[in-house]
Amino acid sequence: DAGVIQSPRHEVTEMGQEVTLRCKPISGHDYLFWYRQTMMRGLELLIYFNNNVPIDDSGMPEDRFSAKMPNASFSTLKIQPSEPRDSAVYFCASSTRPSQSSYEQYFGPGTRLTVT
Amino acid sequence: AQSVSQHNHHVILSEAASLELGCNYSYGGTVNLFWYVQYPGQHLQLLLKYFSGDPLVKGIKGFEAEFIKSKFSFNLRKPSVQWSDTAEYFCAVADRGSTLGRLYFGRGTQLTVWP
Repeated sequence: DAGVIQSPRHEVTEMGQEVTLRCKPISGHDYLFWYRQTMMRGLELLIYFNNNVPIDDSGMPEDRFSAKMPNASFSTLKIQPSEPRDSAVYFCASSTRPSQSSYEQYFGPGTRLTVT
Repeated sequence: AQSVSQHNHHVILSEAASLELGCNYSYGGTVNLFWYVQYPGQHLQLLLKYFSGDPLVKGIKGFEAEFIKSKFSFNLRKPSVQWSDTAEYFCAVADRGSTLGRLYFGRGTQLTVWP
């Protein structure tokens, strides 16, 4: 398996522009997570989906952020309009349903976003 | 909701020194515990995990962690670090309650190993 795939790996954009980050989870995984990592705040969970349905979006910073999962193999995180404080590394992760004996989230390589 | 505390933000060691990174969590119920590692410029990878059974868990690259339920702790150890262990280490907790599937991460500990 190719693992969790994210694109683009790097994105540089100007303030006010729309940014779309993409994620393809591991096939067969029915949970998908979006995280943001910054020096100041560490690793923050933004939103997660189960079977394409958003379960908890309480970590989404504000209305400028939105996430969708139109099918089991694709998710997007959109920022519109972008601001310099959105500069961070955004990780996508996926997992199977937790069981009593095993569970693991698999992380993608991340998208490094710079908003100037 | 869970909260996860990692006591050290940055640890600096020489090669061959012993390592212990602290992790404490807040939830009193049944939990699953994890340590993830992030090497420079890379994504997070699972180092080890605890679900049940022996509270001393062995992971990859010589790492181990001990779950002490009475102390709500899951400290990471390695008897002799190497330069290649330089990375950021994250403790994470999953509770078996309503937030099924969600991991709560600590702030991370940056480990720097000098050759």
